Amino acid sequence: AQSVSQHNHHVILSEAASLELGCNYSYGGTVNLFWYVQYPGQHLQLLLKYFSGDPLVKGIKGFEAEFIKSKFSFNLRKPSVQWSDTAEYFCAVNAFGNEKLTFGTGTRLTIIP
Amino acid sequence: EAQVTQNPRYLITVTGKKLTVTCSQNMNHEYMSWYRQDPGLGLRQIYYSMNVEVTDKGDVPEGYKVSRKEKRNFPLILESPSPNQTSLYFCASSLSGNWAEAFFGQGTRLTVV
Repeated sequence: AQSVSQHNHHVILSEAASLELGCNYSYGGTVNLFWYVQYPGQHLQLLLKYFSGDPLVKGIKGFEAEFIKSKFSFNLRKPSVQWSDTAEYFCAVNAFGNEKLTFGTGTRLTIIP
Repeated sequence: EAQVTQNPRYLITVTGKKLTVTCSQNMNHEYMSWYRQDPGLGLRQIYYSMNVEVTDKGDVPEGYKVSRKEKRNFPLILESPSPNQTSLYFCASSLSGNWAEAFFGQGTRLTVV
């Protein structure tokens, strides 16, 4: 069965710091991978997704993620965070041929001005 | 405007009183899904549907029912709510089973006392 682990539960950074949020999935076959963001009081919005091709994926708001198949990882990065990036971030996986979208437990990101 | 609409947005109810949370999408999507979001647990899938009259259990289906009589609607039914079903609920829809273009509703915050 597909599953996702996010080991960082709460990350606190100062503005302009670099960000990397971890995401590891568990599934032996082909996967589709996603990062979603949830701003306070709002619904989930898609940041970026990986289906195939270039393992370095660029998304909205300056975020990017790298798929490393050998490590079963899909870490989210941003070179310089802003106060407005304060939100909760969810990694999600869909195993190829499986019709379910499974989320990790989320990472709460707090940016200090 | 493409959207997933959930109602109500907020609901306080008493233990054992049947309730229904509605979910409607206007994109003619085949796939729909219900999630509950709890602190530290992320989003967990309750039920999902691949088409009209086709539904399947997610990871936490106990205490919930769903139906998919029309493509656009996917109501979540709590026959006898209990306090442990106090949570934030999200409905989602997607054209395909890989959830490449998923849309999420605004959420329903349910409190069972």
